[in-house]
Amino acid sequence: DAGVTQSPTHLIKTRGQQVTLRCSPKSGHDTVSWYQQALGQGPQFIFQYYEEEERQRGNFPDRFSGHQFPNYSSELNVNALLLGDSALYLCASSTGRNNEQFFGPGTRLTVL
Amino acid sequence: QKEVEQNSGPLSVPEGAIASLNCTYSDRGSQSFFWYRQYSGKSPELIMFIYSNGDKEDGRFTAQLNKASQYVSLLIRDSQPSDSATYLCAVNPTGNQFYFGTGTSLTVIP
Repeated sequence: DAGVTQSPTHLIKTRGQQVTLRCSPKSGHDTVSWYQQALGQGPQFIFQYYEEEERQRGNFPDRFSGHQFPNYSSELNVNALLLGDSALYLCASSTGRNNEQFFGPGTRLTVL
Repeated sequence: QKEVEQNSGPLSVPEGAIASLNCTYSDRGSQSFFWYRQYSGKSPELIMFIYSNGDKEDGRFTAQLNKASQYVSLLIRDSQPSDSATYLCAVNPTGNQFYFGTGTSLTVIP
C-alpha cells in the first residue's frame, strides 16, 4: 500500500520564478492538504482540496494556488517566489473530516 | 495568542524514563487532537490521535486530553534513544484547518 508521495524532493529557484510541487495521496484517501514548514517551526496550513475544489484556505497570499485532479492527486503552485518562501512543503492526505492526516516526505524548496 | 502552544524544550530524559510532553490550545470548540513525531530532516509521522476527554493508550504512548483546561499531553513510557525527535501537537478546531504547535525537542540519553 503506497503512502503519500511528493515530487520533486528538492528544488532550487530564484526570486520571481514560479514553482509547481506535486503530491499523490495515500491509497483510499480523497483529501489533500498542503503545509509550509519553515526551519524550527511547525507546519502552517496553506489549503485543503477535496472533490477537486479548494475547501479551506489558511493565511497565505494568492501567489499560492493549487489544483486537485480526478485521481485525487494535487499540485501546489507558487508564483513570484520570495526568499521567505524557502521552506519544506508538505502534503498530507486523509479521508473524511476530522480524520488523521498522513504526510508525504516533503519537497525542500530553496529560493535564492 | 497562538492557537497551539508547546514548550520548545529541549527536553532531556534518561533511557527508560517517562517523557511528558504538553500542549495547550486556544479554541475551546476544538474537536480533534493529534501527536506527530518528526525526525530531523524528515516529515511528520502520526503517532496518536484523541477525540474524547481522558486517556488513550497505544503501546508505550499515552495521550491525555482535558478539554475543560484546554490541554493535551503525550506520555512516552520506557523512553528509548530512538524516541529522540521533535514532537508536534496538532489541533483541528472546526472546519478543515489543522493548527500545529512549534514542537518540543526530546532527547533520550542512553
